[in-house]
Amino acid sequence: QQQVKQSPQSLIVQKGGISIINCAYENTAFDYFPWYQQFPGKGPALLIAIRPDVSEKKEGRFTISFNKSAKQFSLHIMDSQPGDSATYFCAASTNWGADGLTFGKGTHLIIQP
Amino acid sequence: DSGVTQTPKHLITATGQRVTLRCSPRSGDLSVYWYQQSLDQGLQFLIQYYNGEERAKGNILERFSAQQFPDLHSELNLSSLELGDSALYFCASSVEGTTGELFFGEGSRLTVL
Repeated sequence: QQQVKQSPQSLIVQKGGISIINCAYENTAFDYFPWYQQFPGKGPALLIAIRPDVSEKKEGRFTISFNKSAKQFSLHIMDSQPGDSATYFCAASTNWGADGLTFGKGTHLIIQP
Repeated sequence: DSGVTQTPKHLITATGQRVTLRCSPRSGDLSVYWYQQSLDQGLQFLIQYYNGEERAKGNILERFSAQQFPDLHSELNLSSLELGDSALYFCASSVEGTTGELFFGEGSRLTVL
């Protein structure tokens, strides 16, 4: 049973455009929703995270939008740059992240110059 | 550099064999997590240890086992290996009960021939 569904599987965006990746979850006990970024040959690294008491969190060009009633959250990358080309994973956890993470299957993002 | 060290980086072995993957967490981190990454399944949570004790179990096969030692390093043992066990195995560590951020190593790539 896949508890976190991520889409799209791959995404191509022009430089300067907005990249949008969506995730949906089923477990209402989830209370921590991070996004991880992974470059080839490296392990995933935390990009940005949100808790369900807020609907949006922004850090630089990266924004998480959270819709608790729909059980959905999304990552927006504004002014996308070639250096943003990577695989992005959404994830969710209970106990504010202390219980380990359930990951989506990832989105391979390519930013074309 | 996340501060998490995994060895070996690459491992090639034959079906039916047994291998051990090693992980040294970041200094001060008490929790260690093991994940398996494959192209079709994404990042699958295997098991979590906290200060030497098993804390949570995910999709870990009975042929796999892990432990965390008093110095907090961890080992993942994979036995009776099958072709389908070929994957990237990631170790991550965290400071329990804080932000929930996981710090991933660069992974051990296992190829079973």
